[in-house]
Amino acid sequence: EAGVTQSPTHLIKTRGQQVTLRCSPISGHTSVYWYQQALGLGLQFLLWYDEGEERNRGNFPPRFSGRQFPNYSSELNVNALELEDSALYLCASSLTGNQPQHFGDGTRLSIL
Amino acid sequence: DAKTTQPNSMESNEEEPVHLPCNHSTISGTDYIHWYRQLPSQGPEYVIHGLTSNVNNRMASLAIAEDRKSSTLILHRATLRDAAVYYCILRVGYNTDKLIFGTGTRLQVFP
Repeated sequence: EAGVTQSPTHLIKTRGQQVTLRCSPISGHTSVYWYQQALGLGLQFLLWYDEGEERNRGNFPPRFSGRQFPNYSSELNVNALELEDSALYLCASSLTGNQPQHFGDGTRLSIL
Repeated sequence: DAKTTQPNSMESNEEEPVHLPCNHSTISGTDYIHWYRQLPSQGPEYVIHGLTSNVNNRMASLAIAEDRKSSTLILHRATLRDAAVYYCILRVGYNTDKLIFGTGTRLQVFP
């Protein structure tokens, strides 16, 4: 069974630019979660999508947004990039209900 | 979500058992205890979870105190591949929402 896949694996952007990160969940999983892991701040919850709808978001500004497609894949968009957005962005998927989340290996975003 | 407390770091020798403790004194009756680990340069990996009874799977065992205010993740024979940061997380039973990660325990395994 294929795991959660994320693309790209690495990305370099400059301040003010926009970026789109992609995530394909495990087949059959309808929930997708996004997390940010910045140096020194640990893993922070960003967004949760289920059945195409945004169900919850973490304490991040509106320039962080995303969507979930009918095939349950998801995109995370970040506008007006700032230096502190440099981080590892992790996607996870799960079946509905209190099931474990399965993570991809992330996209490493560097802002210059 | 209730808070968990873990030691910052622990060490073990290869092939020895490892007991990773977690305190969660404010746990509520509907909170499940989840353990994840993150190996270097990888995303977190689910290890095990439980509610009241001890749990075993191919990766580890979870021992839950009778009052549920603490739990212990047991790796029966540590390998070098088990070197990772281990996170103990409380999650409401009916909630499919976010995981709240603390700082975790960094486990070092020596040959």
